[in-house]
Amino acid sequence: GQNIDQPTEMTATEGAIVQINCTYQTSGFNGLFWYQQHAGEAPTFLSYNVLDGLEEKGRFSSFLSRSKGYSYLLLKELQMKDSASYLCAAPHGSGNTGKLIFGQGTTLQVKP
Amino acid sequence: KAGVTQTPRYLIKTRGQQVTLSCSPISGHRSVSWYQQTPGQGLQFLFEYFSETQRNKGNFPGRFSGRQFSNSRSEMNVSTLELGDSALYLCASSSGLAGVREQFFGPGTRLTVL
Repeated sequence: GQNIDQPTEMTATEGAIVQINCTYQTSGFNGLFWYQQHAGEAPTFLSYNVLDGLEEKGRFSSFLSRSKGYSYLLLKELQMKDSASYLCAAPHGSGNTGKLIFGQGTTLQVKP
Repeated sequence: KAGVTQTPRYLIKTRGQQVTLSCSPISGHRSVSWYQQTPGQGLQFLFEYFSETQRNKGNFPGRFSGRQFSNSRSEMNVSTLELGDSALYLCASSSGLAGVREQFFGPGTRLTVL
């Protein structure tokens, strides 16, 4: 089976750095997604990691360790608009698949 | 390029009724996946359609069904509605071709069952 765990809530200060962790157990590995979801809106794609290491994209970076079943999303220079839910997701199975298994999401609150 | 569209955006139904939701994927995308999002369960996969065929299925009862048309538009139907079916229903489109692809989500349909 597959299981994805991430913290439920986090709070950080504007301008700071925050790291949101995600641990996963999957039957077969096909990469890991991070999505951002503002309240009342659709999830939007942030990153996709399939190889170990850090991938940087502006203020957001995502890290993956396949041997440890671990990923994190790093947000730098936090802004108030970064207050949102951050979802970690893994494709189910191998090959062509549109089935993503999501974690419960981490609600990040950025305070002034 | 137009994004994923879903209709209707909001829906109120009573127990026992049935409902049909519609999703139009991004032009050229052939895969449509449906998810249910609730505060308690998070985002849960319902099913995926690719080229008019169901390619993947989640663990939902048979009351939940779907289909896809030749233009890739998809519908999902929920029959005999229950209070617990109240949720945000999201569809996501992707190319569906070889390898895993990023999914683009629509704005969702908020279903309330009274």
